[in-house]
Amino acid sequence: KAGVTQTPRYLIKTRGQQVTLSCSPISGHRSVSWYQQTPGQGLQFLFEYFSETQRNKGNFPGRFSGRQFSNSRSEMNVSTLELGDSALYLCASSLAWTGSSYNEQFFGPGTRLTVL
Amino acid sequence: DAKTTQPPSMDCAEGRAANLPCNHSTISGNEYVYWYRQIHSQGPQYIIHGLKNNETNEMASLIITEDRKSSTLILPHATLRDTAVYYCIVHGAGNMLTFGGGTRLMVKP
Repeated sequence: KAGVTQTPRYLIKTRGQQVTLSCSPISGHRSVSWYQQTPGQGLQFLFEYFSETQRNKGNFPGRFSGRQFSNSRSEMNVSTLELGDSALYLCASSLAWTGSSYNEQFFGPGTRLTVL
Repeated sequence: DAKTTQPPSMDCAEGRAANLPCNHSTISGNEYVYWYRQIHSQGPQYIIHGLKNNETNEMASLIITEDRKSSTLILPHATLRDTAVYYCIVHGAGNMLTFGGGTRLMVKP
């Protein structure tokens, strides 16, 4: 079974630009979560999508947004990029949360975004 | 989610058992203990999870104290490829994980 794929793997942008990152979950997984990883703040949860709806959101400004398509693929968008947005952006997919047991989250390799 | 405390770094000799501690004194009754690891420049990888019983899988063992206020992840025979940052996470419902600083495990030959 193919793992979580993220594109692109590396990206360089300049301040003020916007960027769109893509994530394809494992086949059959309907939940997609996004995380930001920086040396200073570590791994931080951005948001989770399930059945095309945002189910949870972390403490990030509105410049960070996402969406999920009917095939469960997800995109996240960052507008008006700032230097501090330079980070590794990780996507994780899992089966739907049932409320009674834990579903392992499978992480992709990440997209490394550099903002100049 | 309950807060976790882990030592920032640990060393282990190759072939020996690596015992990684985690304190989670404010854990509540419905929260699980999860362990993930992140090898350099890769996405985190799930290792194991437990509620109150000890658990074992092909990768590791998880020992949770009876009061559930702490746990230990055991890698029985550490290899160089186990060098990574190990995250202990306490979490209840949903897929939103809160990662702390983790323990940087260095396995040395």
